[in-house]
Parts: sequence; C-alpha cells; structure tokens
Amino acid sequence: DAGITQSPRYKITETGRQVTLMCHQTWSHSYMFWYRQDLGHGLRLIYYSAAADITDKGEVPDGYVVSRSKTENFPLTLESATRSQTSVYFCASSERGGDSPLHFGNGTRLTVT
Amino acid sequence: GESVGLHLPTLSVQEGDNSIINCAYSNSASDYFIWYKQESGKGPQFIIDIRSNMDKRQGQRVTVLLNKTVKHLSLQIAATQPGDSAVYFCAENIEGYSSASKIIFGSGTRLSIRP
Repeated sequence: DAGITQSPRYKITETGRQVTLMCHQTWSHSYMFWYRQDLGHGLRLIYYSAAADITDKGEVPDGYVVSRSKTENFPLTLESATRSQTSVYFCASSERGGDSPLHFGNGTRLTVT
Repeated sequence: GESVGLHLPTLSVQEGDNSIINCAYSNSASDYFIWYKQESGKGPQFIIDIRSNMDKRQGQRVTVLLNKTVKHLSLQIAATQPGDSAVYFCAENIEGYSSASKIIFGSGTRLSIRP
C-alpha cells in the first residue's frame, strides 16, 4: 500500500550512541520532513528536504544529521544521543513542500537512557 | 519570532454541540494554513486547509475561517462526536533558506467530548 513508513516503531538507546531513524514513502513526493514531538507539546521541525540531495535546517536541528540520496528515503541520525532527544519523531512528506498538506507516518518513540 | 500559537490548550464540549478551536499566527507572509487532528499514538492527520486568498473554507462537518487582519485562524466542528476527541494543531507555511517553504506547527488544543 502507498504511504509513509517509519522504523523502528520503538527504540531505546544509551547516551552517546549513534542511532538512525528510517523513513520511507511510496508517493514519490518531492518534499520530506522530520519533526519531534515532546510530551504535551506540538511538533517542532528538525530538518526538511525539497528533493534528493537538498536539505534545510528546521527549528531544532542541533544534534541531528539527515541525508537524502533517494527521493523515497529520508533517514534521521542522532550522532551522539542525549537524554534531551528522548521524544516521538514523526516523518512526513508532501508534493509541494509548504504549499500542500503533509502526510505523516505513525512515528518512532525514542528513549535515550 | 515566527510562531503559531493557540488561545486554549484544552476544550471540553458537549456531544452534539459545535466546537471552535482558535489559533493565532504571527508571520504575515504565510499564505497557506492547515489544520491537523492527532489521535493518541498516531501521526497527525490532515483535516482541512486554506490559502490566504480565502476567508472561509468548508469540508465535511468542518469549517476553517481565516482573518488576515488580526492573523487569526479557527476550526469549527459541527455536531461534535466522540470520535472528534483528539489534539488539534494549526500549522502555517514559512519560507525556508533555499526558498523551499516549510510547515511550522502550533502547540495544539486537546478537544474532549462530554456525553
């Protein structure tokens, strides 16, 4: 089925470890986004990408790295995880970036111990 | 700075009544606004959108109103049902560094339905 898939669904890691969250979409949307959502709060934009090999920082990019070698994939890497990065991470895609609705995955719940 | 916020963090509504969720935005250059619904354990789900050249847009049981003069956005849900219980977010587009615009979200309003 077409859609946007995030993996893993849940992840527990230790402080200082590197962890990569995966995002895959089957719509061939040009734009992809990563947000984090902390308990009881809204979504904050980490990074986004307008096309393969084009990425931009969002509101809270520090401590994260993204890449987009293929249109359908947009992995998010925490180079050295910290407890403050414990959160739920949502990936989204859209046809025209900020001019069309975002379609979200179901999120990855990450806990950093 | 640029921000999208909400007047009320929680809203309790009697089943069958209409719900109104409000949102203030600060970026005058934003020209596209979206409302999302998020149920527990799920990603945000698109409800309705509106562009800045419109004041009102209607969907099924939902209406979005845009007042550009006071930079205010609202979502009206008619005949609220138990399935409407969720957190609702407004969002706006903001121009990015590479001219690719991005979507910024407000803090959300939790809508609870009284039987």
